[in-house]
Amino acid sequence: DTGVSQNPRHKITKRGQNVTFRCDPISEHNRLYWYRQTLGQGPEFLTYFQNEAQLEKSRLLSDRFSAERPKGSFSTLEIQRTEQGDSAMYLCASSLNFALTEAFFGQGTRLTVV
Amino acid sequence: ELKVEQNPLFLSMQEGKNYTIYCNYSTTSDRLYWYRQDPGKSLESLFVLLSNGAVKQEGRLMASLDTKARLSTLHITAAVHDLSATYFCAVDPRTGANSKLTFGKGITLSVRP
Repeated sequence: DTGVSQNPRHKITKRGQNVTFRCDPISEHNRLYWYRQTLGQGPEFLTYFQNEAQLEKSRLLSDRFSAERPKGSFSTLEIQRTEQGDSAMYLCASSLNFALTEAFFGQGTRLTVV
Repeated sequence: ELKVEQNPLFLSMQEGKNYTIYCNYSTTSDRLYWYRQDPGKSLESLFVLLSNGAVKQEGRLMASLDTKARLSTLHITAAVHDLSATYFCAVDPRTGANSKLTFGKGITLSVRP
């Protein structure tokens, strides 16, 4: 395990469908983050976990979005009833659970809603 | 609400010349990160700056942090084509354990011969 892994890398879905993304963090990292990035913008924070606990959610995370990290290892991000505005790159990152460390990002899942 | 501003948003650089790009942020923080992103790719960590006056160098890039001015600079020495990418700074406003990052919009650098 050499980095953060995300699947799938690309997803095209029809509006109204549900989608689920998976993130496998670096194995010893306790913290896991989800970000969303749209074209020409920096990543925007969505939510983060410390082990299995979801500690913070952004106001960007509407009730159609849900994230889980059931055993404190991999995480899933589900979007229900997708809308065209959900089209973006969804990035996962992980870090060690103490101060002064940086987060390492996965390759991202690019979602296109048609 | 924390705001992170980067300028300029786009910079065309001539090969071999020196340039400086800036990152300003709106709240107290002594933790700032620089990331690089190539088109269609994820973010690669470049520098972690953890205190006032911190300076880090890697190859042709040097980053510094002035927490009193709430400013970080990324200096590019003798630009080369390989440095063409988008560079993001990100700030962690918390003083405790590592938490979330707020990113700027990024600065796209393009190096021309």
